[in-house]
Amino acid sequence: GNSVTQMEGPVTLSEEAFLTINCTYTATGYPSLFWYVQYPGEGLQLLLKATKADDKGSNKGFEATYRKETTSFHLEKGSVQVSDSAVYFCALIWGIVYGGSQGNLIFGKGTKLSVKP
Amino acid sequence: EAGVAQSPRYKIIEKRQSVAFWCNPISGHATLYWYQQILGQGPKLLIQFQNNGVVDDSQLPKDRFSAERLKGVDSTLKIQPAKLEDSAVYLCASSSGQGSSYEQYFGPGTRLTVT
Repeated sequence: GNSVTQMEGPVTLSEEAFLTINCTYTATGYPSLFWYVQYPGEGLQLLLKATKADDKGSNKGFEATYRKETTSFHLEKGSVQVSDSAVYFCALIWGIVYGGSQGNLIFGKGTKLSVKP
Repeated sequence: EAGVAQSPRYKIIEKRQSVAFWCNPISGHATLYWYQQILGQGPKLLIQFQNNGVVDDSQLPKDRFSAERLKGVDSTLKIQPAKLEDSAVYLCASSSGQGSSYEQYFGPGTRLTVT
């Protein structure tokens, strides 16, 4: 079935370090891919998305490229800040019906990132 | 615009008791979702509504869980009777359901502890 696998955490980095959080997926057809972020005490927020192969999603200095050949959507940031400390979830949507209902999100288990000053 | 509202934020009950959670989606959003997030895992969809109709409830444990969205706006999720394994955060999300907009907006969640 459809699934998302992301790297185990927690990940601890020093401020200004380079971040990579790996995400791979299994899906039939061509899913859309997402990264969501959950800051402490807050709800899930969409960080970035990519809807087709080779698309690059970007937001707040984070980037991820939809790689169909490797079924991956790795999250990267060149220089992390303390304020980036959060739990990051990779997710996909499949089974979308245009003009009507939308498919449901399938999430990975989440990766907790802690950034030290 | 106001975000997705949920209440209560926290709830502690004993097993075999019943509990209800409430969600008010973003105004105008046709699609509403309930997710269960067990500690250390990603959210899992329980039920999806399009207006006041159920689109997908395949992962809802229907022997104890029920949900409704009577007027196509706010929604209630109920558990009766609760089990220890129902301890989780229950997330509500909504989306506009327009064209190819896939973004779901999440509420802060209700943390349920069953003792």
